[in-house]
Amino acid sequence: GNSVTQMEGPVTLSEEAFLTINCTYTATGYPSLFWYVQYPGEGLQLLLKATKADDKGSNKGFEATYRKETTSFHLEKGSVQVSDSAVYFCARFGSGGSYIPTFGRGTSLIVHP
Amino acid sequence: EAGVTQFPSHSVIEKGQTVTLRCDPISGHDNLYWYRRVMGKEIKFLLHFVKESKQDESGMPNNRFLAERTGGTYSTLKVQPAELEDSGVYFCASRKTGVSTGELFFGEGSRLTVL
Repeated sequence: GNSVTQMEGPVTLSEEAFLTINCTYTATGYPSLFWYVQYPGEGLQLLLKATKADDKGSNKGFEATYRKETTSFHLEKGSVQVSDSAVYFCARFGSGGSYIPTFGRGTSLIVHP
Repeated sequence: EAGVTQFPSHSVIEKGQTVTLRCDPISGHDNLYWYRRVMGKEIKFLLHFVKESKQDESGMPNNRFLAERTGGTYSTLKVQPAELEDSGVYFCASRKTGVSTGELFFGEGSRLTVL
Protein backbone atom coordinates (compact mmCIF):
# COMPACT_ATOMS: atom_id res chain seq x y z
CA GLY A 1 0.00 0.00 0.00
CA ASN A 2 0.93 3.66 0.02
CA SER A 3 3.37 4.66 2.73
CA VAL A 4 5.72 7.39 3.84
CA THR A 5 8.96 6.83 5.73
CA GLN A 6 10.60 9.55 7.78
CA MET A 7 13.85 9.65 9.67
CA GLU A 8 13.49 9.02 13.38
CA GLY A 9 13.92 11.83 15.83
CA PRO A 10 14.38 13.73 17.86
CA VAL A 11 16.62 15.98 15.86
CA THR A 12 18.43 18.38 18.18
CA LEU A 13 20.18 21.43 16.71
CA SER A 14 21.62 24.72 17.80
CA GLU A 15 20.09 27.93 16.51
CA GLU A 16 21.26 28.86 12.97
CA ALA A 17 22.26 25.27 12.15
CA PHE A 18 21.29 23.59 8.87
CA LEU A 19 18.33 21.22 8.98
CA THR A 20 17.52 18.17 6.89
CA ILE A 21 14.66 15.80 7.66
CA ASN A 22 14.54 12.86 5.27
CA CYS A 23 11.32 11.55 3.76
CA THR A 24 10.74 8.84 1.18
CA TYR A 25 7.45 7.58 -0.23
CA THR A 26 6.20 4.51 -2.03
CA ALA A 27 6.30 5.01 -5.76
CA THR A 28 2.73 4.08 -6.67
CA GLY A 29 1.54 6.53 -9.27
CA TYR A 30 2.19 10.27 -9.04
CA PRO A 31 1.13 11.49 -5.63
CA SER A 32 1.19 15.01 -4.29
CA LEU A 33 3.63 15.43 -1.42
CA PHE A 34 3.33 17.55 1.70
CA TRP A 35 5.11 18.60 4.85
CA TYR A 36 2.91 19.39 7.84
CA VAL A 37 4.11 20.92 11.10
CA GLN A 38 2.65 20.59 14.58
CA TYR A 39 3.74 23.23 17.07
CA PRO A 40 3.28 22.47 20.78
CA GLY A 41 -0.36 22.59 21.81
CA GLU A 42 -1.64 23.06 18.27
CA GLY A 43 -3.04 20.95 15.43
CA LEU A 44 -1.14 20.02 12.31
CA GLN A 45 -0.86 22.72 9.69
CA LEU A 46 0.39 22.62 6.15
CA LEU A 47 3.97 23.86 5.80
CA LEU A 48 4.59 23.28 2.10
CA LYS A 49 3.62 21.04 -0.78
CA ALA A 50 4.64 19.88 -4.26
CA THR A 51 2.28 18.31 -6.75
CA LYS A 52 4.58 16.95 -9.46
CA ALA A 53 8.12 15.77 -10.05
CA ASP A 54 10.87 18.42 -9.73
CA ASP A 55 8.52 20.91 -8.08
CA LYS A 56 9.97 22.70 -5.08
CA GLY A 57 7.71 23.66 -2.22
CA SER A 58 8.84 26.47 0.08
CA ASN A 59 7.52 28.40 3.07
CA LYS A 60 8.99 30.16 6.12
CA GLY A 61 12.54 29.39 4.91
CA PHE A 62 11.82 25.68 4.57
CA GLU A 63 12.17 23.91 1.22
CA ALA A 64 11.53 20.45 -0.19
CA THR A 65 11.96 19.16 -3.74
CA TYR A 66 9.85 16.36 -5.23
CA ARG A 67 12.43 13.83 -6.47
CA LYS A 68 10.76 11.11 -8.51
CA GLU A 69 14.02 9.29 -9.28
CA THR A 70 14.77 8.78 -5.58
CA THR A 71 11.11 8.86 -4.38
CA SER A 72 12.12 11.47 -1.83
CA PHE A 73 10.84 14.77 -0.46
CA HIS A 74 13.45 15.84 2.08
CA LEU A 75 12.77 18.95 4.17
CA GLU A 76 15.58 21.51 4.50
CA LYS A 77 16.18 24.84 6.15
CA GLY A 78 19.41 26.76 6.01
CA SER A 79 19.25 28.37 9.46
CA VAL A 80 16.82 27.10 12.09
CA GLN A 81 15.38 29.17 14.90
CA VAL A 82 14.16 28.20 18.35
CA SER A 83 10.63 28.88 17.13
CA ASP A 84 10.99 26.07 14.57
CA SER A 85 10.89 23.52 17.39
CA ALA A 86 7.94 21.29 16.49
CA VAL A 87 7.03 17.90 15.06
CA TYR A 88 7.24 17.63 11.27
CA PHE A 89 5.16 15.14 9.29
CA CYS A 90 5.72 14.10 5.70
CA ALA A 91 2.60 13.06 3.79
CA ARG A 92 1.45 11.87 0.38
CA PHE A 93 -1.94 12.14 -1.25
CA GLY A 94 -3.59 10.76 -4.30
CA SER A 95 -2.80 8.29 -7.12
CA GLY A 96 -2.72 4.52 -7.02
CA GLY A 97 -6.45 4.43 -6.47
CA SER A 98 -6.21 5.98 -3.02
CA TYR A 99 -7.40 9.47 -2.11
CA ILE A 100 -6.59 9.12 1.55
CA PRO A 101 -3.68 11.28 2.72
CA THR A 102 -0.97 9.04 4.21
CA PHE A 103 1.36 10.37 6.89
CA GLY A 104 4.76 9.42 8.22
CA ARG A 105 5.58 8.94 11.91
CA GLY A 106 6.69 12.51 12.45
CA THR A 107 10.12 13.86 13.35
CA SER A 108 10.54 15.97 16.42
CA LEU A 109 12.86 18.97 16.01
CA ILE A 110 14.36 20.65 19.07
CA VAL A 111 16.32 23.85 18.51
CA HIS A 112 18.45 25.22 21.35
CA PRO A 113 19.48 28.90 21.67
CA GLU B 1 -13.54 31.64 9.64
CA ALA B 2 -13.46 29.09 12.45
CA GLY B 3 -11.05 26.20 12.08
CA VAL B 4 -11.61 22.55 12.81
CA THR B 5 -12.57 22.12 16.45
CA GLN B 6 -12.40 18.96 18.51
CA PHE B 7 -13.82 18.09 21.89
CA PRO B 8 -12.72 17.07 24.45
CA SER B 9 -9.07 18.02 24.26
CA HIS B 10 -8.17 15.33 26.78
CA SER B 11 -10.14 12.44 28.18
CA VAL B 12 -9.01 9.96 30.84
CA ILE B 13 -11.19 6.88 31.24
CA GLU B 14 -10.92 3.39 32.64
CA LYS B 15 -10.80 0.28 30.56
CA GLY B 16 -14.31 -0.83 29.65
CA GLN B 17 -15.81 2.64 29.72
CA THR B 18 -17.20 4.56 26.77
CA VAL B 19 -15.90 7.77 25.27
CA THR B 20 -17.32 9.93 22.51
CA LEU B 21 -15.11 12.36 20.63
CA ARG B 22 -16.58 15.17 18.58
CA CYS B 23 -15.27 17.04 15.57
CA ASP B 24 -16.68 20.17 13.96
CA PRO B 25 -15.11 20.67 10.53
CA ILE B 26 -14.69 23.96 8.76
CA SER B 27 -18.06 25.10 7.46
CA GLY B 28 -18.64 23.93 3.91
CA HIS B 29 -16.00 21.19 3.99
CA ASP B 30 -17.62 18.03 2.66
CA ASN B 31 -14.66 15.74 3.41
CA LEU B 32 -13.99 14.77 7.00
CA TYR B 33 -11.23 12.42 8.15
CA TRP B 34 -10.42 10.76 11.43
CA TYR B 35 -6.84 9.78 12.20
CA ARG B 36 -5.10 8.42 15.29
CA ARG B 37 -1.53 8.77 16.48
CA VAL B 38 -0.13 6.47 19.10
CA MET B 39 2.92 7.89 20.90
CA GLY B 40 5.84 8.33 18.52
CA LYS B 41 4.27 6.44 15.66
CA GLU B 42 2.74 7.44 12.37
CA ILE B 43 -0.60 9.17 12.07
CA LYS B 44 -2.86 6.32 11.02
CA PHE B 45 -5.98 6.77 8.96
CA LEU B 46 -9.24 5.61 10.53
CA LEU B 47 -12.01 6.70 8.20
CA HIS B 48 -13.23 9.23 5.67
CA PHE B 49 -16.64 10.84 5.27
CA VAL B 50 -17.92 12.65 2.25
CA LYS B 51 -20.85 14.63 3.57
CA GLU B 52 -22.79 12.10 5.68
CA SER B 53 -21.56 9.00 3.85
CA LYS B 54 -18.67 6.81 4.92
CA GLN B 55 -16.40 6.82 1.90
CA ASP B 56 -13.68 4.63 3.39
CA GLU B 57 -13.58 3.05 6.82
CA SER B 58 -10.78 0.60 6.14
CA GLY B 59 -8.67 2.01 8.97
CA MET B 60 -11.17 1.42 11.76
CA PRO B 61 -9.44 -1.08 14.05
CA ASN B 62 -12.49 -3.08 15.13
CA ASN B 63 -16.20 -2.90 15.89
CA ARG B 64 -15.60 -1.12 19.20
CA PHE B 65 -15.22 2.04 17.14
CA LEU B 66 -18.27 3.75 15.69
CA ALA B 67 -18.18 6.96 13.69
CA GLU B 68 -21.13 9.03 12.57
CA ARG B 69 -21.67 12.23 10.69
CA THR B 70 -25.35 12.96 10.85
CA GLY B 71 -26.46 15.65 8.42
CA GLY B 72 -23.00 15.93 6.97
CA THR B 73 -21.84 18.50 9.50
CA TYR B 74 -20.11 17.52 12.74
CA SER B 75 -18.87 13.99 13.38
CA THR B 76 -18.58 11.80 16.44
CA LEU B 77 -16.26 8.90 17.11
CA LYS B 78 -17.36 6.56 19.88
CA VAL B 79 -15.16 3.95 21.48
CA GLN B 80 -17.12 1.32 23.41
CA PRO B 81 -15.78 -0.43 25.42
CA ALA B 82 -12.39 1.25 25.54
CA GLU B 83 -9.22 -0.86 25.79
CA LEU B 84 -5.71 0.14 26.86
CA GLU B 85 -4.42 0.07 23.27
CA ASP B 86 -6.96 2.73 22.26
CA SER B 87 -4.89 5.39 24.02
CA GLY B 88 -3.50 8.01 21.69
CA VAL B 89 -4.33 11.31 20.05
CA TYR B 90 -7.32 11.32 17.73
CA PHE B 91 -7.14 13.93 15.00
CA CYS B 92 -9.96 15.18 12.86
CA ALA B 93 -9.31 16.93 9.56
CA SER B 94 -11.46 18.38 6.83
CA ARG B 95 -11.16 19.66 3.28
CA LYS B 96 -13.38 20.91 0.54
CA THR B 97 -13.49 18.88 -2.65
CA GLY B 98 -11.82 20.59 -5.58
CA VAL B 99 -10.38 23.56 -3.67
CA SER B 100 -6.81 22.55 -2.91
CA THR B 101 -4.96 19.39 -3.90
CA GLY B 102 -4.97 17.18 -0.87
CA GLU B 103 -4.45 19.84 1.81
CA LEU B 104 -6.16 18.93 5.05
CA PHE B 105 -7.14 21.31 7.84
CA PHE B 106 -6.61 19.71 11.22
CA GLY B 107 -8.07 20.16 14.65
CA GLU B 108 -5.84 20.20 17.71
CA GLY B 109 -6.64 16.60 18.49
CA SER B 110 -8.33 14.77 21.34
CA ARG B 111 -5.94 12.94 23.62
CA LEU B 112 -7.44 9.72 24.97
CA THR B 113 -5.87 7.95 27.92
CA VAL B 114 -7.31 4.56 28.88
CA LEU B 115 -6.21 3.30 32.30
